[in-house]
Amino acid sequence: DQQVKQNSPSLSVQEGRISILNCDYTNSMFDYFLWYKKYPAEGPTFLISISSIKDKNEDGRFTVFLNKSAKHLSLHIVPSQPGDSAVYFCAASLNTGTASKLTFGTGTRLQVTL
Amino acid sequence: DGGITQSPKYLFRKEGQNVTLSCEQNLNHDAMYWYRQDPGQGLRLIYYSQIVNDFQKGDIAEGYSVSREKKESFPLTVTSAQKNPTAFYLCASEDLVYGALHFGNGTRLTVT
Repeated sequence: DQQVKQNSPSLSVQEGRISILNCDYTNSMFDYFLWYKKYPAEGPTFLISISSIKDKNEDGRFTVFLNKSAKHLSLHIVPSQPGDSAVYFCAASLNTGTASKLTFGTGTRLQVTL
Repeated sequence: DGGITQSPKYLFRKEGQNVTLSCEQNLNHDAMYWYRQDPGQGLRLIYYSQIVNDFQKGDIAEGYSVSREKKESFPLTVTSAQKNPTAFYLCASEDLVYGALHFGNGTRLTVT
């Protein structure tokens, strides 16, 4: 049972445009959400997070939106750059204070074209 | 430079052999984790340790073992009991202040 789903395995966006990566979850008990970025042959790196008490968190070109009623999370990258080409994983956590209850999605491969 | 070091990057083993993957961190994090990544799947938790000399099974612990004798080190042994050991293995430590995981660059294990 996949509790965190990224239904788009891949996405292609032109440089300078907006990239929108989506993530749906089924467990309403999740209360902390994170996005990780992964380049080939490297480990994921933390990108941005959001607590369930917020509906938006922004960090530079990256903004995460949370719609709790729809159990939907999205990551917006504006403007997209070629260096953003990577696999993006969303992850959801139960509030246990540790990552031991972190559930990852299957990832979306973003390709930013020139 | 603080970080997580996994070695080796690529590992090849014959079926039936145990193999140990190394993970070292100098971030002074208490908690460390092992994940497995397979094509088309998210990262799945194998084992985690929140403190030295203690560790817990994750979602897919069967066929794996770990030890945590030092804060800096969390080696993972893939035993011959693991039915599908070929995968990309990621080690991570946790920054409890920001609630984020710091990952190593992974070890790709191929068992033939």
